[in-house]
Amino acid sequence: DSGVTQTPKHLITATGQRVTLRCSPRSGDLSVYWYQQSLDQGLQFLIQYYNGEERAKGNILERFSAQQFPDLHSELNLSSLELGDSALYFCASSVELTGELFFGEGSRLTVL
Amino acid sequence: DAKTTQPNSMESNEEEPVHLPCNHSTISGTDYIHWYRQLPSQGPEYVIHGLTSNVNNRMASLAIAEDRKSSTLILHRATLRDAAVYYCILVGWAGGTSYGKLTFGQGTILTVHP
Repeated sequence: DSGVTQTPKHLITATGQRVTLRCSPRSGDLSVYWYQQSLDQGLQFLIQYYNGEERAKGNILERFSAQQFPDLHSELNLSSLELGDSALYFCASSVELTGELFFGEGSRLTVL
Repeated sequence: DAKTTQPNSMESNEEEPVHLPCNHSTISGTDYIHWYRQLPSQGPEYVIHGLTSNVNNRMASLAIAEDRKSSTLILHRATLRDAAVYYCILVGWAGGTSYGKLTFGQGTILTVHP
């Protein structure tokens, strides 16, 4: 158990819909990262937040957005879903002194 | 972002040592070398990291070249549970916190034979 909690574990929805994925980082970790993993793309970095502020951005689509709240939990919002958005979405939090990332178990999104 | 290059796959026999190489010729002075692994159907798991000196922990050893342009993750006695995808990534540091996109490459698929 990494200490990072992601909900929901599985989600099935239809094209055009909107979903929200939630992540609770390890206690005391200020940074949260979101990654997308699909079969043909590997682990793709989406976005990083540090203490509520966006710190780094990867290839995150405009249909996707994220935020980190004052209690440090984070949400990834995916809208106007397409079939190609079906993937595992991982959240990670980091120990700032070492940069070690702790990953959650992921949220598996299936878009039908 | 500084890139890393790893072989697509490697094979080993159980209880034999495994040396997983990683090239990072464009590494900068403040980049730490991190290794993660991902077991099937799980999130990536931290293995080890280092800056300049070789490092050991309960999971593995990390050997870093003197010029820091390459590194090797060493599993001293592979077990079936070590079969996973191993990722070598560079983590930059500034102002007391990590930064950068922490981009994972394709990694090395390690197969361990009984």
